[in-house]
Amino acid sequence: GQQLNQSPQSMFIQEGEDVSMNCTSSSIFNTWLWYKQDPGEGPVLLIALYKAGELTSNGRLTAQFGTTRKDSFLNISASIPSDVGIYFCAGRSQGAQKLVFGQGTRLTINP
Amino acid sequence: KAGVTQTPRYLIKTRGQQVTLSCSPISGHRSVSWYQQTPGQGLQFLFEYFSETQRNKGNFPGRFSGRQFSNSRSEMNVSTLELGDSALYLCASTAEGSGGPSTDTQYFGPGTRLTVL
Repeated sequence: GQQLNQSPQSMFIQEGEDVSMNCTSSSIFNTWLWYKQDPGEGPVLLIALYKAGELTSNGRLTAQFGTTRKDSFLNISASIPSDVGIYFCAGRSQGAQKLVFGQGTRLTINP
Repeated sequence: KAGVTQTPRYLIKTRGQQVTLSCSPISGHRSVSWYQQTPGQGLQFLFEYFSETQRNKGNFPGRFSGRQFSNSRSEMNVSTLELGDSALYLCASTAEGSGGPSTDTQYFGPGTRLTVL
């Protein structure tokens, strides 16, 4: 099925570094969601975006709904060990009932 | 409000058996979606139920089926299990309604880890 192009697929960083990841789509979306998944658990919603250009923060996390409505970005500042996990983007195009998901970005942090 | 709950959390079955997984959505949520997640495959959409009707279906064989009850609780069934069915099965619920796009946000349960031997 349709999936978003999420990059990078994996990241290996040092504790304290900032992280950036993004998702792009060929379709215009009216909803962008970012989730984090810990091993063996379900994805947990981090940030939800509903308007083009919207910039929303959740603690050290900041996500933006791209102005073209075809992309979204997630930034994590000053990474800590508990940020380790897989981050998924998800989006819904106008008129669609189903969410589509990116393939995930696996974040690994070296202490 | 309690989150999405899934039972059981872990399950071990053998090839050829069938299995039923259960999902209770967040109270007031009307839509339930099911996903299969295997290493390296990301989240694969199985199906979505709304008001006891299957509204969307992914590309899975007919061995995978589901249903939704009047209280929005949902079950999925896999018959004639194969080794490749070993995966984390995730359920997500959505409020839906006239409250705008925020009511379309999906919230996931912890998943059921199915191992087929």
